[in-house]
Amino acid sequence: EPEVTQTPSHQVTQMGQEVILRCVPISNHLYFYWYRQILGQKVEFLVSFYNNEISEKSEIFDDQFSVERPDGSNFTLKIRSTKLEDSAMYFCASSEEALSTDTQYFGPGTRLTVL
Amino acid sequence: AQSVSQHNHHVILSEAASLELGCNYSYGGTVNLFWYVQYPGQHLQLLLKYFSGDPLVKGIKGFEAEFIKSKFSFNLRKPSVQWSDTAEYFCAVKSGFQKLVFGTGTRLLVSP
Repeated sequence: EPEVTQTPSHQVTQMGQEVILRCVPISNHLYFYWYRQILGQKVEFLVSFYNNEISEKSEIFDDQFSVERPDGSNFTLKIRSTKLEDSAMYFCASSEEALSTDTQYFGPGTRLTVL
Repeated sequence: AQSVSQHNHHVILSEAASLELGCNYSYGGTVNLFWYVQYPGQHLQLLLKYFSGDPLVKGIKGFEAEFIKSKFSFNLRKPSVQWSDTAEYFCAVKSGFQKLVFGTGTRLLVSP
């Protein structure tokens, strides 16, 4: 069964450094998402992406964050200058469509630790 | 704004016990409701979803959930849990936009 994959599984970085989290969505899916979960808190929506554009973003997704689909398979989340509070598990997801009934399929997550 | 509440943060059951995990949402319009499960060390997987029709939906691994519109609830049930059901369970809602709004999750521990 096709799966969403994410690399790396764990990333440790110093405050102020740039990080890029990578995701490979399911191949026939057209909509891509990033969520994050700070330890002990809810899974929170960050951004959705379709047709090479952001289609929706949350208030968390400020100018420090950006997303890109650099080629036909990867979907990346970049944090330009990491802060301590960016430490979280970051989940990528994808769906075939963006209907409200559509299932989003999640990757295993990248644990980001900012020191 | 939409929100989802899961009142049970930790649940401990013995094998063969019945399970019910509560989920309430706040949104006045049409919603679509999901339960996801995260087994230890694994990614979020869809257990079941409701979008219309029969308010009692059946999912994988013997789970079911009942949508009660008047109570804004979508509780997850399983008549007899197994040790392998040990996991974290997340209720989520979507209301026409793309984002899922999640509850805080319930950690279930099933003792053999």
